[in-house]
Amino acid sequence: DAGVIQSPRHEVTEMGQEVTLRCKPISGHNSLFWYRQTMMRGLELLIYFNNNVPIDDSGMPEDRFSAKMPNASFSTLKIQPSEPRDSAVYFCASSPPAGFSHEQYFGPGTRLTVT
Amino acid sequence: GENVEQHPSTLSVQEGDSAVIKCTYSDSASNYFPWYKQELGKRPQLIIDIRSNVGEKKDQRIAVTLNKTAKHFSLHITETQPEDSAVYFCAASNALTGGGNKLTFGTGTQLKVEL
Repeated sequence: DAGVIQSPRHEVTEMGQEVTLRCKPISGHNSLFWYRQTMMRGLELLIYFNNNVPIDDSGMPEDRFSAKMPNASFSTLKIQPSEPRDSAVYFCASSPPAGFSHEQYFGPGTRLTVT
Repeated sequence: GENVEQHPSTLSVQEGDSAVIKCTYSDSASNYFPWYKQELGKRPQLIIDIRSNVGEKKDQRIAVTLNKTAKHFSLHITETQPEDSAVYFCAASNALTGGGNKLTFGTGTQLKVEL
């Protein structure tokens, strides 16, 4: 398996623009997680899905952030409108069904810069 | 919700010495405690994990101990090598609940192994 795939790897955009980050989890994994990493706040869980259903979105900063998982092999995280404080590395991770390993496998991340 | 504290935030050791990183958690229902290593510019990767039904686990030069009563767990790296230099994150989870495996991460420890 290719592992968790994220795109784009780097994104530079201007304040006010819409940003869409994409993630393809490992085949067979049924949980998907979106994290944000900054020097100041560390690694924060934004939202996670189980069997394509959002389970906990308490980490989503505000209404400008939204996430979807239309099927088992694809998820998006959208920021609209983007602000400079959204600059961070965004990781997607997936994990297999309960009863198997509890390990979360991280993607390579998307480095977002909002100017 | 769960709160994980991690210390120290930075740790510098001489090559060949041991390194110890400590974490405490708040939720007595947590039962799964992984450690992730993140090299500069890379994704976090699981290096070892422990479940609440064991007190210690070893894998070559790394070991993790868990004290459920005190709600703390530690990572021990022996015979440190320059390639051990990275940021290490502890995490905690209640892995028995349905809906995926939500991890709460500590704030990370920057380990530097000096020649």
